Amino acid sequence: AQKVTQTQTSISVVEKTTVTMDCVYETRDSSYFLFWYKQTASGEIVFLIRQDSYKKENATVGHYSLNFQKPKSSIGLIITATQIEDSAVYFCAMREGEGGSALGRLHFGAGTQLIVIP
Amino acid sequence: GPKVLQIPSHQIIDMGQMVTLNCDPVSNHLYFYWYKQILGQQMEFLVNFYNGKVMEKSKLFKDQFSVERPDGSYFTLKIQPTALEDSAVYFCASSRDWGVAEQFFGPGTRLTVL
Repeated sequence: AQKVTQTQTSISVVEKTTVTMDCVYETRDSSYFLFWYKQTASGEIVFLIRQDSYKKENATVGHYSLNFQKPKSSIGLIITATQIEDSAVYFCAMREGEGGSALGRLHFGAGTQLIVIP
Repeated sequence: GPKVLQIPSHQIIDMGQMVTLNCDPVSNHLYFYWYKQILGQQMEFLVNFYNGKVMEKSKLFKDQFSVERPDGSYFTLKIQPTALEDSAVYFCASSRDWGVAEQFFGPGTRLTVL
């Protein structure tokens, strides 16, 4: 079974609008870490934002923010005021805590392609 | 942000040959990782490495794979012998620690096995 699931294959939005990308995860650990990365057209993978499971406040970095719904095992990525250069594939990833696959292994989702249209 | 470098960017070899993929991790990072991404698919964990030892490996890390970082030089992934199914992009990553810190990824090496 997939530990990280991204059901949206591709999303198109108009520039300067807000987009939300979904991600659900599966773990038995009480402590875990969630990350969002983006992969540009050149293949470069860029770290964007993280959420630690024990933190109740949603993380925010620049125009990226997270919608962490722990009871639903959901960690959505919200991009406000989208720009053309936000066009990329966005990956959700999870690192489990002590009881699971520890030592830093990241479980990635399949990715969501974001297309920002002028 | 912190940069991880990978050499080469592309490598084409014949099946059965040996290949070594090189990674120059972020200078103060202590934990190193390899991930494999087949075209159009998600990244899959291969192995992580700390203090000269493999800490964890996945089922994708076949017996033909090995990793090392001799004397603080490149962190390498060696495949010997290569197989057709090894064709993929291999990403190296490093982190300051294994627990909390995020991993930073290199640009990847595209390996094509003919």
